[in-house]
Amino acid sequence: NAGVTQTPKFQVLKTGQSMTLQCAQDMNHEYMSWYRQDPGMGLRLIHYSVGAGITDQGEVPNGYNVSRSTTEDFPLRLLSAAPSQTSVYFCASSYGQEDSPLHFGNGTRLTVT
Amino acid sequence: AQSVSQHNHHVILSEAASLELGCNYSYGGTVNLFWYVQYPGQHLQLLLKYFSGDPLVKGIKGFEAEFIKSKFSFNLRKPSVQWSDTAEYFCAVIDRGSTLGRLYFGRGTQLTVWP
Repeated sequence: NAGVTQTPKFQVLKTGQSMTLQCAQDMNHEYMSWYRQDPGMGLRLIHYSVGAGITDQGEVPNGYNVSRSTTEDFPLRLLSAAPSQTSVYFCASSYGQEDSPLHFGNGTRLTVT
Repeated sequence: AQSVSQHNHHVILSEAASLELGCNYSYGGTVNLFWYVQYPGQHLQLLLKYFSGDPLVKGIKGFEAEFIKSKFSFNLRKPSVQWSDTAEYFCAVIDRGSTLGRLYFGRGTQLTVWP
């Protein structure tokens, strides 16, 4: 059982470049989300989805786009990378109820120069 | 929106010492509470959770947490830490009835245990 799979593990971008962080889960979870983790800031929610075709903004959505065409996949797109987006990104999924624990991927470390 | 305070940013202990990490949330109402742990180089994983019932909950690896509603607190404890407990610990809170998009994390507490 793979759980939550994120790719790539590491990425370096130049300012202005675009890229997509991939996230896939095989647990048939309805809820998927993207967090960024910065030192001293904890985890901040970027975007989330409660099911295929449904997405919503979290706490820090600016500069990021998402879509959810299937239950399994929830890619995060950076259209024009900025140094402020240097961070570690985690994808997480769950069954979606408020008492459902989140299952996290292994993270993507992104550096924007 | 809820906010979560973890007042200890970095805690350093020797093996066998007792541990208590503080977690407070901002306002009352019925909440669900979580502690997650992130070992070095790994992803976050659930340590324990409280939804209702006995306010003293036990989690994996000998950790426990006590929910004190009057203090808006959910402190994490372990009687005797081990070197392998070195990790970052995150408290998280969600108001009952909310979607997971309203799950809020604290800033984390880095625990370093010296052998």
